[in-house]
Amino acid sequence: DVKVTQSSRYLVKRTGEKVFLECVQDMDHENMFWYRQDPGLGLRLIYFSYDVKMKEKGDIPEGYSVSREKKERFSLILESASTNQTSMYLCASSPPWGGYREQFFGPGTRLTVL
Amino acid sequence: AQTVTQSQPEMSVQEAETVTLSCTYDTSESDYYLFWYKQPPSRQMILVIRQEAYKQQNATENRFSVNFQKAAKSFSLKISDSQLGDAAMYFCAYRRRNQFYFGTGTSLTVIP
Repeated sequence: DVKVTQSSRYLVKRTGEKVFLECVQDMDHENMFWYRQDPGLGLRLIYFSYDVKMKEKGDIPEGYSVSREKKERFSLILESASTNQTSMYLCASSPPWGGYREQFFGPGTRLTVL
Repeated sequence: AQTVTQSQPEMSVQEAETVTLSCTYDTSESDYYLFWYKQPPSRQMILVIRQEAYKQQNATENRFSVNFQKAAKSFSLKISDSQLGDAAMYFCAYRRRNQFYFGTGTSLTVIP
């Protein structure tokens, strides 16, 4: 059974705190993604990584950074959390391009910044 | 950039009836994949059905089927014999190489 896991389901942080969201996949996938999900806006891509130590900015990278030191792990970092970063964060992974290649999602982390 | 449009923010269906969710996309590519994902309330996003653009035959998975109109860039999802467990947010997605693009979702309510 393939799995993408995220470190927390719910997280409450204070404005200005540094926040780490971790994602681990056990499918040996090359690609990993971080999305933000807000009502009415769907999924918006923050960053993605197509290989270890490689990263690409998505549509809304401002205020976020990422780290991928190992193939199975992709971390999202909020350097200084702000209230407008309160949201649901979804991690996903996928094999490389070719064939039936959908994304597999983690359960999500609902982050509240006070 | 590619865009995926789901024009129905909310839909409802009577249990055992059929409902169709709409999705259109914009692309100049000929080789891509399309997906429908389901996100039940407070639960994980899971794949419902997938379609390869080069295949003319519409994909089916049990009660779920798609109507793929490549020229019209349309990819609708039909749910037959709707069940209470079908209540969820449904997202249409497009993949080209390592880029995925999602619609804003359709919230489906199933009425007992």
